[in-house]
Amino acid sequence: DVVLTQTPPTLSATIGQSVSISCRSSQSLLDSDGDTYLNWLLQRPGQSPQLLIYSVSNLESGVPNRFSGSGSETDFTLKISGVEAEDLGVYYCMQATHAPYTFGAGTKLELK
Amino acid sequence: QVKLQQSGAELVKPGASVKLSCKTSGYTFSTSYMSWFKQIPGQSIEWIGMIYAGDGGTGYNQKFKGKATLTVDTSSSTAYMDLSSLTTEDSAVYFCARNSFDYWGQGVMVTVSS
Repeated sequence: DVVLTQTPPTLSATIGQSVSISCRSSQSLLDSDGDTYLNWLLQRPGQSPQLLIYSVSNLESGVPNRFSGSGSETDFTLKISGVEAEDLGVYYCMQATHAPYTFGAGTKLELK
Repeated sequence: QVKLQQSGAELVKPGASVKLSCKTSGYTFSTSYMSWFKQIPGQSIEWIGMIYAGDGGTGYNQKFKGKATLTVDTSSSTAYMDLSSLTTEDSAVYFCARNSFDYWGQGVMVTVSS
């Protein structure tokens, strides 16, 4: 199975601060169809996961553009440009290139 | 609008089975894929498997083969997951989600306890 390693496990930020989360894959997530199925999701406390970014860098409809994704093959990054209070929760990277789909362990974003 | 409404919380005894439902609306269920996920509170998320509503074709995470069985009823736009031979390790929140991962059910807590 593909292992996704997320760092850091915890992130403390002030409102307005920009932060980044890293996700490294144990193998390339470039699919034979040319797409890279690496997604980023946010799970707020007590809620279902919410899709933020799909296929590395595509912003899901309705998601604020302070969220951005980048990377390729095995190295990916989620950036939040100016944290807001509503951004607090656990961020997961998830790959859907190789079965079984797998998730990172999560990065908890807290207020400093 | 798209909605995925899951059935309510379950308290079941060890060794029993439970059937979870995920009723959908707002999109064409019959030509879509649905995935199911498991999350033990405080832990990350695991993919159980997926089903294509068009023909009932399934793909499972090897870890959940024999534990989970996915089915659909296209007449009611509902996806189901049967969990069998339950143990305390199956206690978790279970989610359904469209395979584009843009819409998720609210999750259902399954507690296995005698």
